[in-house]
Amino acid sequence: DTGVSQDPRHKITKRGQNVTFRCDPISEHNRLYWYRQTLGQGPEFLTYFQNEAQLEKSRLLSDRFSAERPKGSFSTLEIQRTEQGDSAMYLCASSPTGLWEQYFGPGTRLTVT
Amino acid sequence: QKEVEQNSGPLSVPEGAIASLNCTYSDRGSQSFFWYRQYSGKSPELIMFIYSNGDKEDGRFTAQLNKASQYVSLLIRDSQPSDSATYLCAPHAAGNKLTFGGGTRVLVKP
Repeated sequence: DTGVSQDPRHKITKRGQNVTFRCDPISEHNRLYWYRQTLGQGPEFLTYFQNEAQLEKSRLLSDRFSAERPKGSFSTLEIQRTEQGDSAMYLCASSPTGLWEQYFGPGTRLTVT
Repeated sequence: QKEVEQNSGPLSVPEGAIASLNCTYSDRGSQSFFWYRQYSGKSPELIMFIYSNGDKEDGRFTAQLNKASQYVSLLIRDSQPSDSATYLCAPHAAGNKLTFGGGTRVLVKP
């Protein structure tokens, strides 16, 4: 069990560029979550997958954000036309079937200049 | 009213003392409660979860739940400098996401 991994760990981009992050959940965890966290705040839910199905999406998630989990294993989160307000830590978590506890990856810190 | 409320702190405790952290939540449908520890610049780490009213102990940590009062707490006994971190409360209600509080920063002074 190697834990949740995320790539890259840091990303600096210019406003207007597109960025994509990857998350590899714990093996055999069928649920995968994306959260965003800004300084001094708790993580804020973005979206959730059960296997390859995206079952829930925050109403706060603008249409510039899209997430996929094509084979029910790793997931990608894409942000199009980045804005300075997108600067945050993007966290991925996974949980096993039938349990609600979530295990977080190390996060991807995005800085939009 | 925020869904999950925590005192932001910092909660300053001397080494060896008990740190007491509180969390109130608004969704009466919440059934499971999770406490995460987050060191500065790191991701949240699950340290405790509790489902039933009462106390649950795990090492130096004790979680206390009172669903009628919509209140969950975390006690850290024999606090160590390594316990200095932000502690996040996260109830789980309907649906699949956790709703996090803003966290309480704990500072353990040697």
